[in-house]
Amino acid sequence: NAGVTQTPKFRVLKTGQSMTLLCAQDMNHEYMYWYRQDPGMGLRLIHYSVGEGTTAKGEVPDGYNVSRLKKQNFLLGLESAAPSQTSVYFCASSVGFNEQFFGPGTRLTVL
Amino acid sequence: RKEVEQDPGPFNVPEGATVAFNCTYSNSASQSFFWYRQDCRKEPKLLMSVYSSGNEDGRFTAQLNRASQYISLLIRDSKLSDSATYLCVVRRYGQNFVFGPGTRLSVLP
Repeated sequence: NAGVTQTPKFRVLKTGQSMTLLCAQDMNHEYMYWYRQDPGMGLRLIHYSVGEGTTAKGEVPDGYNVSRLKKQNFLLGLESAAPSQTSVYFCASSVGFNEQFFGPGTRLTVL
Repeated sequence: RKEVEQDPGPFNVPEGATVAFNCTYSNSASQSFFWYRQDCRKEPKLLMSVYSSGNEDGRFTAQLNRASQYISLLIRDSKLSDSATYLCVVRRYGQNFVFGPGTRLSVLP
């Protein structure tokens, strides 16, 4: 089992460009999450999903959109990237609000 | 005030030492507590859950003090491989996790 995987691992964008980050999990988990991690800030929840076809806002949702069309995939979109979105993005999944399993992260730089 | 606070460190300790970290949380409705470990440039992984009566896993001991709203992690006989950032996590019933900023530990030879 691969667990939680994320694509891509690294990306550099220019201000105003768009991109989609893909998260996939093979553990049949209902719940999936997108976090960003910045120095000194800890992990902050962007959006989450408690099941296929459902999404909800987290602590810092502005500038991001998400979709959960399939149970195993959770996509995070940036429509118009800004330098403030430079961060490390982690996807996670869980059975209910229990232990979360994280992907390896995506390092995004916006110039 | 942040919901979960931790001393960022770094804590620099020699091999074999005992080291303890504290974490404070502001919401008295918090029900579940965890310690996660994050290695440099890696993803967080669950180290242990924290139970009301305290719990131990090998060299690691976690304690919860609800009255003072803090949890602690004690590491005995530190190993070089314990060098990492330790994240304190709390959750209210039916709510998402809230992560602390982490405490960095360096175990020195």
